Amino acid sequence: EAGVAQSPRYKIIEKRQSVAFWCNPISGHATLYWYQQILGQGPKLLIQFQNNGVVDDSQLPKDRFSAERLKGVDSTLKIQPAKLEDSAVYLCASSLAGREGTQYFGPGTRLLVL
Amino acid sequence: GQNIDQPTEMTATEGAIVQINCTYQTSGFNGLFWYQQHAGEAPTFLSYNVLDGLEEKGRFSSFLSRSKGYSYLLLKELQMKDSASYLCAVREYGNKLVFGAGTILRVKS
Repeated sequence: EAGVAQSPRYKIIEKRQSVAFWCNPISGHATLYWYQQILGQGPKLLIQFQNNGVVDDSQLPKDRFSAERLKGVDSTLKIQPAKLEDSAVYLCASSLAGREGTQYFGPGTRLLVL
Repeated sequence: GQNIDQPTEMTATEGAIVQINCTYQTSGFNGLFWYQQHAGEAPTFLSYNVLDGLEEKGRFSSFLSRSKGYSYLLLKELQMKDSASYLCAVREYGNKLVFGAGTILRVKS
């Protein structure tokens, strides 16, 4: 089966610019996650969706980050405006409902903010 | 609060056995997971413990003691391809996964 797809794979922007990332989860996976992974650290959950509803967005910096999952399938994560400390890998993952511990990760988007 | 501790780095020799420890203090506990992450790649699921004891899966085993807030991942017959970061993650109530910073394992020949 096809895995989690993400695009773009790499992005370089200047601070205060905006950027958007896209994720297509594994077919049939109701739960979708966005993580931020800073170099040398573990992934940090930004937002978790169950179908098209938000389950947890407690660690999402809502003044600059936003995410949506229209129709309960694809999702986009946006940063506006970007800061230098947003430089990280943004990982999208998906899982079956009720199997939230076993997550399948996409290849990630490497963001560099200059 | 949440606190997951793992050693930062470990080095072991090809063919040997290595144990990677993880201690945790979280606001809830609903399972402990180990993920493997090769450099520049996404994490992949390795193992899962929800009850105390040892879970074995081929060359990899994982142990959990809930009363001690402690887990370890045991890798046997180490191969060069096992060089990676190993992430300990705790699932809290509400099904949120909280990851540790990871242990970088270097396998030398």
